[in-house]
Amino acid sequence: DQQVKQNSPSLSVQEGRISILNCDYTNSMFDYFLWYKKYPAEGPTFLISISSIKDKNEDGRFTVFLNKSAKHLSLHIVPSQPGDSAVYFCAASSAYSGAGSYQLTFGKGTKLSVIP
Amino acid sequence: SQTIHQWPATLVQPVGSPLSLECTVEGTSNPNLYWYRQAAGRGLQLLFYSVGIGQISSEVPQNLSASRPQDRQFILSSKKLLLSDSGFYLCAWSPPGRDNEQFFGPGTRLTVL
Repeated sequence: DQQVKQNSPSLSVQEGRISILNCDYTNSMFDYFLWYKKYPAEGPTFLISISSIKDKNEDGRFTVFLNKSAKHLSLHIVPSQPGDSAVYFCAASSAYSGAGSYQLTFGKGTKLSVIP
Repeated sequence: SQTIHQWPATLVQPVGSPLSLECTVEGTSNPNLYWYRQAAGRGLQLLFYSVGIGQISSEVPQNLSASRPQDRQFILSSKKLLLSDSGFYLCAWSPPGRDNEQFFGPGTRLTVL
């Protein structure tokens, strides 16, 4: 049972345009969401996060939107740059699952290619 | 600033051989530590986490084990590797009380032949 789903394994976007990466979740107890960026043969790096008490968080070119009723979040990158080409992982956690609060549940990732 | 190290970076091992991957964190005390595996075509799967020396919790039953002999050292081991153990192994840490934000090491690429 995949609790965090990234249904698009890959996405190609022209440089300068907007990249939109989507993530859906099924566990209504999730209350904190993160996006990680990963280059090949490297560990993921934290990009941006959002708490369930918010519906939007912005950091420079990166904005994350959260729609709790739809159990959906998205990452917008504007404008997209070739250096943004990487795999993006969506992750979720819950503060209410006891020992499970240490666990981040990750999606399978979306490979973003920004074309110059 | 905090840094996290993993070694080796790559490893090729025969089936049935033992495994020891090491992770160390610098610049912080009493971190929470995690081992993840990323297998081909799959997301990141949490294998073990630790909130202190000698305290290990396993999330997924398997032939792997973890140990935390020191505050900032986390070791992933196996007595006999399986083909299915191939993957990219990532160590991560989070500050105590801030488990939501985890910071990852560079990873170890393990190939079991």
